[in-house]
Amino acid sequence: SSELTQDPAVSVALGQTVRITCQGDSLRSYYASWYQQKPGQAPVLVIYGKNNRPSGIPDRFSGSSSGNTASLTITGAQAEDEADYYCNSRDSSGNHLGWVFGGGTKLTVL
Amino acid sequence: EVQLVESGGGLVKPGGSLRLSCAASGFTFSSYSMNWVRQAPGKGLEWVSSISSSSSYIYYADSVKGRFTISRDNAKNSLYLQMNSLRAEDTAVYYCAREELIVVVPAAPSPSYYYYYMDVWGKGTTVTVSS
Repeated sequence: SSELTQDPAVSVALGQTVRITCQGDSLRSYYASWYQQKPGQAPVLVIYGKNNRPSGIPDRFSGSSSGNTASLTITGAQAEDEADYYCNSRDSSGNHLGWVFGGGTKLTVL
Repeated sequence: EVQLVESGGGLVKPGGSLRLSCAASGFTFSSYSMNWVRQAPGKGLEWVSSISSSSSYIYYADSVKGRFTISRDNAKNSLYLQMNSLRAEDTAVYYCAREELIVVVPAAPSPSYYYYYMDVWGKGTTVTVSS
């Protein structure tokens, strides 16, 4: 099966811009989606597809992709954005169509 | 309100079995593929299994293949995960998640492309495998 690689931890000053990246072969075939998870809570979808936000997600969240890399950008990070962020995509590398998650990036807002 | 509620978690001995359930409400359950995703303590998310809307397509992560069985009952708006031969490494919070697929059809001659994502998640149920 495929793997998605994320930096374990990233920090950003309050109000500044941060980019979280996700790399993997599956991203050449499928778009990534991004999930925010705060301690003790279920994941929440923040970005899907080329750059789409579900209803209720602030427009400071955006997504992009190129080749085998997908990125989540937070423009003007807020204290409430401190969380773990996971990317995922479909994975057709084996003999089935599954899913693969990145290892997650812990975002600290300073 | 669109909602998924998991149940059935608990403490089980290694080698034991457990059946998780996920009750769906607020949407047409029979129209969506569904997934189980788990998260071991202090670890990241791991996809476990998926099932298509009519149960025609079922997939498993290698880590659970042959031990876990996913199923659904569209009449009861419910998703299940039968877990057998449980191991300590199966200890995790188990989430059910709705899968969405959007087909984007751009202007010709560009080909269609797909957006896959998990847009609705339950709060999870905890499974602990320990003697």
